[in-house]
Amino acid sequence: EAQVTQNPRYLITVTGKKLTVTCSQNMNHEYMSWYRQDPGLGLRQIYYSMNVEVTDKGDVPEGYKVSRKEKRNFPLILESPSPNQTSLYFCASSLSTSLNEQYFGPGTRLTVT
Amino acid sequence: AQSVTQLGSHVSVSEGALVLLRCNYSSSVPPYLFWYVQYPNQGLQLLLKYTTGATLVKGINGFEAEFKKSETSFHLTKPSAHMSDAAEYFCAAPTGSARQLTFGSGTQLTVLP
Repeated sequence: EAQVTQNPRYLITVTGKKLTVTCSQNMNHEYMSWYRQDPGLGLRQIYYSMNVEVTDKGDVPEGYKVSRKEKRNFPLILESPSPNQTSLYFCASSLSTSLNEQYFGPGTRLTVT
Repeated sequence: AQSVTQLGSHVSVSEGALVLLRCNYSSSVPPYLFWYVQYPNQGLQLLLKYTTGATLVKGINGFEAEFKKSETSFHLTKPSAHMSDAAEYFCAAPTGSARQLTFGSGTQLTVLP
């Protein structure tokens, strides 16, 4: 089954404790992206990757890191989480660019206390 | 400037009534527009997509949208609402470079029995 998986689905952590949210897709997509969803703000793009070893900042990259060492994986790293990073996070992938349909993971709800 | 603007963060309709969700886009976006739907506790999924050609686009679950260049609008409609249509709907547009996708702030649709 073609899908985007994210882990964990739920995470509660404390300020400053490094964490990684994994994202994996099995569709051989070149484009992958991370979004955060906050009430009233829709989805805002954090980082995106056009291909392996190519990553770029989105609209809200501060406090986040990503890597794209393999085509299928695109982990999101929070080196020192803060309460304002409490949010719902989505990973997505598409064939090649943002002009193609994006396939979304189920989301990761992160709470930073 | 925001690429897409959704008017109305909450819309309520009665079951069987017309659904109209509004989206306006800035004239600077490429001629690609999307509507995505998010059911409770799920990721987003593509409802429909406009590229070029026919301005009336049909999507899944009986939804359609009309691209109106003169009004810079891409409103989503469905003739008769079902209870299962209750969800949050997002309009989205790619950036000029087709490297990013910008989402509107979303419209929560409630269907009343």
